[in-house]
Amino acid sequence: EVQLLESGGGLVQPGGSLRLSCAASKFNFHNYAMTWVRQAPGKGLEWVSTISGTGFSTYYADSVKGRFTISRDNSKNTLSLQMNSLRAEDTAIYYCAKGYSSGPGAFDFWGQGAMVTVSS
Amino acid sequence: SYVLTQPPSMSVAPGQTAKITCGRDNIGSRSVHWYQQKPGQAPVVVIYYDSDRPSGIPERFSGSNSGNTATLTISRVEAGDEADYYCQVWESGHYRPVFGGGTKVTVL
Repeated sequence: EVQLLESGGGLVQPGGSLRLSCAASKFNFHNYAMTWVRQAPGKGLEWVSTISGTGFSTYYADSVKGRFTISRDNSKNTLSLQMNSLRAEDTAIYYCAKGYSSGPGAFDFWGQGAMVTVSS
Repeated sequence: SYVLTQPPSMSVAPGQTAKITCGRDNIGSRSVHWYQQKPGQAPVVVIYYDSDRPSGIPERFSGSNSGNTATLTISRVEAGDEADYYCQVWESGHYRPVFGGGTKVTVL
């Protein structure tokens, strides 16, 4: 079955940076858009960013635009999220999620999540 | 901003039917997806494209979407169905998925 495994979470000070990774396996990674979704403690799901299968197209929530960068390495089946200028409100569990198809649709598989805490 | 409205919570007795709504003007023109999230776990898709059920999801889960309301129906509710449920669509005109606020389902 599809596997998604996030890594790179941790504690960082406000204004700092962190890079999340998501290792994908057991599906043709390059054929699917990939997405980051976050969930602040006790809150609902919030879309963060999506990247197309080729990596040529990227999309960001207004709340992270200009601070976060999504990327992928299809040769290594890896999705990444570079997070700069982190704020307290970025504190959340970050999930990587596989798109059901190459275009907009459901997220049919999710990783277990990586916790990011922004605090001094 | 594009908002999907869900009731924050609902309670249902075992064996009864739970209907979770997701409201938005003309949501019937969009494909709606539903996720179940149990405490400490990642979300799992239970219904996609309004009414399709992924393999492994019990037939007790069904979905519909028309007009201004999409509905996730859980028939013959079991204790294991206790979870948060989220609806999701893609915002028209933007490559941007939107989630509802979530509904916490408590099984009495």
